[in-house]
Amino acid sequence: ILNVEQSPQSLHVQEGDSTNFTCSFPSSNFYALHWYRWETAKSPEALFVMTLNGDEKKKGRISATLNTKEGYSYLYIKGSQPEDSATYLCAFPTGNTPLVFGKGTRLSVIA
Amino acid sequence: NAGVTQTPKFRVLKTGQSMTLLCAQDMNHEYMYWYRQDPGMGLRLIHYSVGEGTTAKGEVPDGYNVSRLKKQNFLLGLESAAPSQTSVYFCASGRDRDHSNQPQHFGDGTRLSIL
Repeated sequence: ILNVEQSPQSLHVQEGDSTNFTCSFPSSNFYALHWYRWETAKSPEALFVMTLNGDEKKKGRISATLNTKEGYSYLYIKGSQPEDSATYLCAFPTGNTPLVFGKGTRLSVIA
Repeated sequence: NAGVTQTPKFRVLKTGQSMTLLCAQDMNHEYMYWYRQDPGMGLRLIHYSVGEGTTAKGEVPDGYNVSRLKKQNFLLGLESAAPSQTSVYFCASGRDRDHSNQPQHFGDGTRLSIL
């Protein structure tokens, strides 16, 4: 089983702060990198699926970048709001095998 | 459009009892997955299916069985429940014949406690 590492494990920021966190994955045999947002007591929801080196995707105040050569992706949140509080998961498939999920970064935004 | 529906939402079992968790999706997805989520462990794949009539083992398959008799349904069975199977179980589905490029759609989870 390949490892997908996320850091930090948890993060507390003030409302209005911008923040970012990291997902590291094996750089060989890259297929895609997924980001999910998981609010407490709800189910994970897909944010982005990224497939190309140098990809940058954006959804509102949330954006993500991808470096497949060095095996990392960053998720950025600009001007954090309390509703951004959630666990952010990244996941990595290896072609014909399903996604391997990281343990997530738990973000708390304090009003 | 209901998406992915899991039943039941909560259940308490005694050690040794059996039960089946049902996952139903109305998006005509080929791929379906069962995960368990435990504190500090993230989502771990139990079993998955790449189409009607097919199933495969994931990372933590022991103690579980699955069936995919109809495309829209994926059942997870516990034949003899053990306290170590206390967890939150999530079902997910994926659109195309590819694990990689399509996002997974998750159900709301089933919280299972084994006493």
